[in-house]
Amino acid sequence: DTAVSQTPKYLVTQMGNDKSIKCEQNLGHDTMYWYKQDSKKFLKIMFSYNNKELIINETVPNRFSPKSPDKAHLNLHINSLELGDSAVYFCASSPRTGGYEQYFGPGTRLTVT
Amino acid sequence: GIQVEQSPPDLILQEGANSTLRCNFSDSVNNLQWFHQNPWGQLINLFYIPSGTKQNGRLSATTVATERYSLLYISSSQTTDSGVYFCAGRGSNYQLIWGAGTKLIIKP
Repeated sequence: DTAVSQTPKYLVTQMGNDKSIKCEQNLGHDTMYWYKQDSKKFLKIMFSYNNKELIINETVPNRFSPKSPDKAHLNLHINSLELGDSAVYFCASSPRTGGYEQYFGPGTRLTVT
Repeated sequence: GIQVEQSPPDLILQEGANSTLRCNFSDSVNNLQWFHQNPWGQLINLFYIPSGTKQNGRLSATTVATERYSLLYISSSQTTDSGVYFCAGRGSNYQLIWGAGTKLIIKP
């Protein structure tokens, strides 16, 4: 059973397009996250939701909009994609907010051409 | 200053060797975790170790919170241990603060 799943695994698209990445966790966790990992492997948090409520919103362009329809899902929508958006995006979850043990999805490799 | 610092940045070992990876963290960081990112990019949670010692097979971790460091031990390395090892801790704003990682290559 996959604990944290993301779709799609790979996403290749052109500049200016709009795309979405979906994330689901079946761990019963209250908190979910989106991270961006750049080519140097540096992991940067983008957003965190606790029980469908946004609690962390780092300095991310407003072209990125997270949506949490329920506490098991956290989707990421990106408008007007730019070359610099190319990266691996990871979804994660933890039992509750506050830096507790986090479990990661397999990642989505986004390539913008 | 740097809140979570890992060493060494790179490590190349022969299969069967043992290794120790270190993570130093500042006063404002606690609740250490260790992760392994394998060559396929998957991030795997290894240990949640705010203090003390835990073991899981060939891997073990020790955190000495009073001295602000954590160690990850890998014994009898296998090629599948290759990848990047990250430590991360909870910062003052309750977010995870990540180290830059140790890239480990195990040669057959």
